[in-house]
Amino acid sequence: AQSVAQPEDQVNVAEGNPLTVKCTYSVSGNPYLFWYVQYPNRGLQFLLKYITGDNLVKGSYGFEAEFNKSQTSFHLKKPSALVSDSALYFCAVRDMLKRQLTFGSGTQLTVLP
Amino acid sequence: NAGVTQTPKFRILKIGQSMTLQCTQDMNHNYMYWYRQDPGMGLKLIYYSVGAGITDKGEVPNGYNVSRSTTEDFPLRLELAAPSQTSVYFCASSPGQGASGGNQPQHFGDGTRLSIL
Repeated sequence: AQSVAQPEDQVNVAEGNPLTVKCTYSVSGNPYLFWYVQYPNRGLQFLLKYITGDNLVKGSYGFEAEFNKSQTSFHLKKPSALVSDSALYFCAVRDMLKRQLTFGSGTQLTVLP
Repeated sequence: NAGVTQTPKFRILKIGQSMTLQCTQDMNHNYMYWYRQDPGMGLKLIYYSVGAGITDKGEVPNGYNVSRSTTEDFPLRLELAAPSQTSVYFCASSPGQGASGGNQPQHFGDGTRLSIL
């Protein structure tokens, strides 16, 4: 079975400060990992993915994520938060032997001006 | 560039009624998915399709049906609406074939907000 956990329902950060949104996963094989962002009344938008290769993955809008196999984590990071980054963020995982993505429960990021 | 289009955007149903949620994509993607999103629960996969004529159950398929007669369209059918089906429904698509298809990012529509009273 595959699963993903986002331990924080809400993350607040001041504009200009670095942000981290946490994600841990569980799969039986090698993981494929994704981050998506959702703005109010919109569908999810892809931010970045890890399939193989470098553990540090860079994505859209200045976001990056670090794959840590030993800690089974894939935390989303950004060096300097913007108010416009305020949104709902989802981590997702897929076991390479499966076709389905499993999504976390989401983390609401609020960037305070 | 329309991407993934879902209709209707909002709908209120009475218990026991049926309806079809429409989803169409213009990106020639092989993979299509239906999810439901409930507050604090993330997205749950209802059904998915890896190509025209091929569908398979996801995590929460009970109470729903799908068909995939063309690459572009993937409608979701609710036969006997129940209050537990009140949710926001998202359709998504992704490119690729076979085992590699699941490596590609999914493109989402803006959702159908369904209330069953």
